[in-house]
Amino acid sequence: EPEVTQTPSHQVTQMGQEVILRCVPISNHLYFYWYRQILGQKVEFLVSFYNNEISEKSEIFDDQFSVERPDGSNFTLKIRSTKLEDSAMYFCASREQVNTEAFFGQGTRLTVV
Amino acid sequence: GEDVEQSLFLSVREGDSSVINCTYTDSSSTYLYWYKQEPGAGLQLLTYIFSNMDMKQDQRLTVLLNKKDKHLSLRIADTQTGDSAIYFCAESMGSSASKIIFGSGTRLSIRP
Repeated sequence: EPEVTQTPSHQVTQMGQEVILRCVPISNHLYFYWYRQILGQKVEFLVSFYNNEISEKSEIFDDQFSVERPDGSNFTLKIRSTKLEDSAMYFCASREQVNTEAFFGQGTRLTVV
Repeated sequence: GEDVEQSLFLSVREGDSSVINCTYTDSSSTYLYWYKQEPGAGLQLLTYIFSNMDMKQDQRLTVLLNKKDKHLSLRIADTQTGDSAIYFCAESMGSSASKIIFGSGTRLSIRP
């Protein structure tokens, strides 16, 4: 069964460093999303991406965040200068069409020290 | 505004039915979802329902949707220890990219 894959599963980084979280969405999907979940809290929407541009972003997704689809398969989330409060589980999701089910990856646990 | 509300905890006896409730606010929601998250794991899509449906059954899972009251429920029949997890209700917004908004999650614990 096709699935969304995310790498790495766990990333530890020093405060102020840049990190790139990687996702490979399901191959025929057109809509891509990043979410985050701070430990013990709810899953929060960060950004949606369609047709090579951001469709919508939340207040969390400030200038420190960026997304890119550098080739036909990868979808990345970059955090330019990480802060302690960026520590969270980051989930990538994709869907084939705007009104079809969304599939989530297993997440990348980001720890900023 | 966009909001999805769930109770935080539910405890049921093994073999009983579990009913997890959720309310949402966006009347333009198209899909409503239930995701399961086991400790340290990702989000597993359990089931979903179109907003024009009232009920969906899938093996031990029954989803009921009351669109008038914006109320969604998930019933798990014959609850087992493997059902212990956090269950997230989520709605797919009516916006152009249909972002998904999650509730806070209900932690289901099973007692013997």
